[in-house]
Amino acid sequence: LAKTTQPISMDSYEGQEVNITCSHNNIATNDYITWYQQFPSQGPRFIIQGYKTKVTNEVASLFIPADRKSSTLSLPRVSLSDTAVYYCLVGDIGGYGGSQGNLIFGKGTKLSVKP
Amino acid sequence: ETGVTQTPRHLVMGMTNKKSLKCEQHLGHNAMYWYKQSAKKPLELMFVYSLEERVENNSVPSRFSPECPNSSHLFLHLHTLQPEDSALYLCASSQDVAGSFSTNEKLFFGSGTQLSVL
Repeated sequence: LAKTTQPISMDSYEGQEVNITCSHNNIATNDYITWYQQFPSQGPRFIIQGYKTKVTNEVASLFIPADRKSSTLSLPRVSLSDTAVYYCLVGDIGGYGGSQGNLIFGKGTKLSVKP
Repeated sequence: ETGVTQTPRHLVMGMTNKKSLKCEQHLGHNAMYWYKQSAKKPLELMFVYSLEERVENNSVPSRFSPECPNSSHLFLHLHTLQPEDSALYLCASSQDVAGSFSTNEKLFFGSGTQLSVL
């Protein structure tokens, strides 16, 4: 089971770029890396997913180095509304009931954006 | 709007009550999930369904009973719960079952049911 490690919390100010790094040393060859955002009392929301190099969408960018043992979620010019918990998930191959890496949410990173 | 709807949004029940949580997805997905999120704890995966068949039960007590009558609907039947079962219960869906041979599935979550057991 691929295990992920993220900082527990981060603070930022409005307008800054925020980078959250996730370590996944045991990532398997076919695993994707997926990030979710969760606001209090709501379900997590998909942000971005990648396999290698760089992925960018309208919300964020995801940087994955060549060895894929880590990934960095980049949020450009954060606002107060970006205050949330951010989760990094890495999938495993294992068949039904085997490994569920991309279903397992850790503690995530609690990002607090201040004015 | 994620395409996954959960009702009720809030629920208060006594330990002897029987209640049900409902989840409906309008995304044409084949897999559905129940998660539990207690205060200040990570999300815990409870049940996984693929095409109405339960494929995973993560050692959940029998006082929680899931039901998936079709690929669009998922229920969680609750009976004789304990106060420690108070939590946010989240339903999610994905195109196919995540964690099988497909590691790039994206989960779509509902807004959850905030459950309080008195």
